[in-house]
Amino acid sequence: AQSVAQPEDQVNVAEGNPLTVKCTYSVSGNPYLFWYVQYPNRGLQFLLKYITGDNLVKGSYGFEAEFNKSQTSFHLKKPSALVSDSALYFCAVRDGAGSYQLTFGKGTKLSVIP
Amino acid sequence: DGGITQSPKYLFRKEGQNVTLSCEQNLNHDAMYWYRQDPGQGLRLIYYSQIVNDFQKGDIAEGYSVSREKKESFPLTVTSAQKNPTAFYLCASSIVPIPKGETQYFGPGTRLLVL
Repeated sequence: AQSVAQPEDQVNVAEGNPLTVKCTYSVSGNPYLFWYVQYPNRGLQFLLKYITGDNLVKGSYGFEAEFNKSQTSFHLKKPSALVSDSALYFCAVRDGAGSYQLTFGKGTKLSVIP
Repeated sequence: DGGITQSPKYLFRKEGQNVTLSCEQNLNHDAMYWYRQDPGQGLRLIYYSQIVNDFQKGDIAEGYSVSREKKESFPLTVTSAQKNPTAFYLCASSIVPIPKGETQYFGPGTRLLVL
């Protein structure tokens, strides 16, 4: 079975500082990993994904994520946080050896403090 | 939110009533999905469809029904059997997942409230 964990319900960071939102996963085959962002009362917006290849993935709005197979992690990062980055972030995984279903983490609320 | 529309934005359900949530996409995607979002629980899959006239249950299908008569449309009915329907409902679509690396794109959501 596939699963994903976001160990922090909330992350607070000062504007201009680097931010990290953590994600770990469990799959039996190769993982397909995704990050989405959700603003209040809106749908999810796709940020980036890892399928294969380079472990550092760059996405929208200056975000990037690093795939670490040995630690089964896919942490989301940004070098300099903006107040407008404040939102709910979801990590998701699909098992390459499993079904077509995408499993989501419970989300991490990011607050960027001016 | 791209080419996926959901309506209405807010929906109120009375006890014992069935209600239908609309989802339409103009992305020419084959696969469509319905998720339920509750605070602190992330997204849970209700139903998904990979092709017209075919759909499969997700993790929490009880009390819900769907149809897929057209490629563009995937309506969700919340039946009276669903005892706790208050939630934010999200529709998504994607290219049929071969080799499973496709991205799901989401609509703006419908918030269902019980009167």
